[in-house]
Amino acid sequence: QLQLQESGPGLVKPSETLSLTCTVSGGSINNRDYYWGWIRQPPGKGLEWIGSIYYSGTTYYNPSLKSRVTISVDSSKKQFSLRLGSLTAADTAVYYCLREEVADENRFDPWGQGLLVTVSS
Amino acid sequence: SSELTQDPAVSVALGQTVRITCQGDSLRTYYANWYQQKPGQAPLLVLFGKDNRPSGIPDRFSGSTSGTTASLTITGAQAEDEADYYCNSRDTSGNQQVFGGGTKLSVL
Repeated sequence: QLQLQESGPGLVKPSETLSLTCTVSGGSINNRDYYWGWIRQPPGKGLEWIGSIYYSGTTYYNPSLKSRVTISVDSSKKQFSLRLGSLTAADTAVYYCLREEVADENRFDPWGQGLLVTVSS
Repeated sequence: SSELTQDPAVSVALGQTVRITCQGDSLRTYYANWYQQKPGQAPLLVLFGKDNRPSGIPDRFSGSTSGTTASLTITGAQAEDEADYYCNSRDTSGNQQVFGGGTKLSVL
């Protein structure tokens, strides 16, 4: 059974860059049928898609975040990563990593348990 | 702002049927996927595509689409169905993923 686990700091300072890693277990990250993505959820609010990456390195990002976001993949470690720069308090959220199907449905399944990241000095 | 619109809150009596809707122009082209989120938990996929349930999702959950509106129907709602429900699809350009604002379902 595929499982994903986020890791990274729980507290970062404004203007700094957030770096998170997602480790995939129970399956291959080199799978042509899937992207690997990140979604976030500010406390008490809804879900926001950040972006996704294919095992080959092809990415697509939320246009509203594109200037600050980089997603990368390391297949040898079965990991993919998120970097989000120029942080503000508005970036405080639970960050989820997940698998996204390439097919028309583009469903997100499964999800990691999520990691709360607080942006504060 | 979200390109998918959901009612903020819906309620249903225990055992009755409830429909949660999601409206957006992209739904003419792309099916909606539906996620259930309970407090303190990650979202869980409950419906995808035309009307498909992942393994382990009860058959009381079903989906449909008409024009620009997708619907998630729970037939015989149970107490454990009380949760937030989010719809998601690609946007009209096909170049990004979007979510509805979420619907809080209360089972009375």
